Amino acid sequence: DTAVSQTPKYLVTQMGNDKSIKCEQNLGHDTMYWYKQDSKKFLKIMFSYNNKELIINETVPNRFSPKSPDKAHLNLHINSLELGDSAVYFCASSQRGYYGYTFGSGTRLTVV
Amino acid sequence: TQLLEQSPQFLSIQEGENLTVYCNSSSVFSSLQWYRQEPGEGPVLLVTVVTGGEVKKLKRLTFQFGDARKDSSLHITAAQPGDTGLYLCVAGTASKLTFGTGTRLQVTL
Repeated sequence: DTAVSQTPKYLVTQMGNDKSIKCEQNLGHDTMYWYKQDSKKFLKIMFSYNNKELIINETVPNRFSPKSPDKAHLNLHINSLELGDSAVYFCASSQRGYYGYTFGSGTRLTVV
Repeated sequence: TQLLEQSPQFLSIQEGENLTVYCNSSSVFSSLQWYRQEPGEGPVLLVTVVTGGEVKKLKRLTFQFGDARKDSSLHITAAQPGDTGLYLCVAGTASKLTFGTGTRLQVTL
């Protein structure tokens, strides 16, 4: 059973398009995250949701909008995609009060 | 953004060799975690250390948290090709993580 699953695994799209990445976790965790990994493999947090409530919103363009319909899902919608948005995006989950995060396998976004 | 500096950035060794990866910061953290990331996958948690001076062992991997809780090390004994991957140290609180700069390890036969 996949603990944190993201779809799609790969996404190639043209500049200016709008796209969404979906994430679901079946661990019963109460907190979910989106991270961006750049070409140098550095991971940076974008958003964090706890029980559907936004608790971390790092400095990212407002073209990025997270949506959490329930605590098991955290989707990422990106408007007007730009070349610089190309990266690998990871969804993760954790249980508040416990250390340790479970990551999805990532979505490689390529904007052309 | 706070950074955790890892060294070395890249390491290529032969099977059977020993190695140590370092993770350093000027800040004090309540906990520190080590993850390994393989190509095409997300990071996988290896260990969490929370007490200054703490040492944890996971088979051939030994993790140490510095006494002042500002640094950590990962020592691998008799490295195997399966140890190949990107090693990340991560520190912070339960609500926010700060990721290290990463160490890419390649173990060859």
